Amino acid sequence: GEDVEQSLFLSVREGDSSVINCTYTDSSSTYLYWYKQEPGAGLQLLTYIFSNMDMKQDQRLTVLLNKKDKHLSLRIADTQTGDSAIYFCADPSGGYNKLIFGAGTRLAVHP
Amino acid sequence: DVKVTQSSRYLVKRTGEKVFLECVQDMDHENMFWYRQDPGLGLRLIYFSYDVKMKEKGDIPEGYSVSREKKERFSLILESASTNQTSMYLCASSLWRTRAPNTGELFFGEGSRLTVL
Repeated sequence: GEDVEQSLFLSVREGDSSVINCTYTDSSSTYLYWYKQEPGAGLQLLTYIFSNMDMKQDQRLTVLLNKKDKHLSLRIADTQTGDSAIYFCADPSGGYNKLIFGAGTRLAVHP
Repeated sequence: DVKVTQSSRYLVKRTGEKVFLECVQDMDHENMFWYRQDPGLGLRLIYFSYDVKMKEKGDIPEGYSVSREKKERFSLILESASTNQTSMYLCASSLWRTRAPNTGELFFGEGSRLTVL
């Protein structure tokens, strides 16, 4: 069945790297996504990776995709207080562009 | 920029009341979705629509209905609100999958936080 799993909390010190992990079950997805939700707001697309890629880098963000293990990760370099948010992994395995979301990882950045 | 607007950011209703949550998008998207978000459960799909007057049940449709009379507007209706429907409701829209360019991105509104007393 369709399922996306991620840990619920991550706490890092400002300036360190953050790594948020996700596992998914549908191997036929074309894209996999990371969304960010800031307090009191809706979700915004942070980045995505095409399924034929292993890695995508975009400034401080690095996405790694391990298709064999169905594992997706998001690395944020030099984490800042403005990165404090909930990060959702999403898999379009629902059809009709439906996205299946993980439970979200709350990232807390402390001084 | 794509804009998805939810009419109410905060609502407080009483048990048994009928509740309407309105969502409008301005980018001519075919697909529209209603999710509810609860801590530790992530986003769960209530209903979605891929065309005017078309609707499909999501994972948790019980207690909800929807209406899509115009392409840009998708309404979520709680016929008789109950306390277990207290939640954050998120509307989203996206292009139909065969329209290009299309990465399948969902565009979200700011959310409507509903409290049922």
